[in-house]
Amino acid sequence: AQTVTQSQPEMSVQEAETVTLSCTYDTSESDYYLFWYKQPPSRQMILVIRQEAYKQQNATENRFSVNFQKAAKSFSLKISDSQLGDAAMYFCAYRSADSNYKLTFGKGTLLTVNP
Amino acid sequence: DGGITQSPKYLFRKEGQNVTLSCEQNLNHDAMYWYRQDPGQGLRLIYYSQIVNDFQKGDIAEGYSVSREKKESFPLTVTSAQKNPTAFYLCASSIDLGVLGYTFGSGTRLTVV
Repeated sequence: AQTVTQSQPEMSVQEAETVTLSCTYDTSESDYYLFWYKQPPSRQMILVIRQEAYKQQNATENRFSVNFQKAAKSFSLKISDSQLGDAAMYFCAYRSADSNYKLTFGKGTLLTVNP
Repeated sequence: DGGITQSPKYLFRKEGQNVTLSCEQNLNHDAMYWYRQDPGQGLRLIYYSQIVNDFQKGDIAEGYSVSREKKESFPLTVTSAQKNPTAFYLCASSIDLGVLGYTFGSGTRLTVV
């Protein structure tokens, strides 16, 4: 079974600085999808960024980018120019590319942004 | 605007009672999911449904039941058999079984009193 590990329960960053959140996963599959979700205090889960394993190019969405290292099974999230609104719990998630239905989530990293 | 509506936002249940959490979507998504979130834990899958009148157990289905009589609706019943039901429950949907990711509702906080 696939597992997702987020080794940093909490992180903090100064406003306007850059922070990187770590995620590793365990799988024997070669094709899959990876996601980062944000859960602010409202608790609404919001999709931040998505990566397809067969694509070597790292995904980017505005200030959010990933460092996808397939051989190392690593999928870190970089937030540039951090803003107060970035403060949230961040979850890394894995989905197999086959007919498997589910997203497997890590336990999350709580990000604090200091003014 | 399209989205997923979960109700109620907060729910209190006495021990031994069944309670039903509502989840409605107007996104025309085929697949719907129920996840449970506990403090310090990630999200764990309870049930999912790919199409109307069909659903499958997830990782922690014991003590829960669902129905999918309409494409738009996927209610979750927490039965008295669920030993530790106090948690935050999230409903989600996807157009493609999650390949592009899920759309989530705003959740229901269930507390057993």
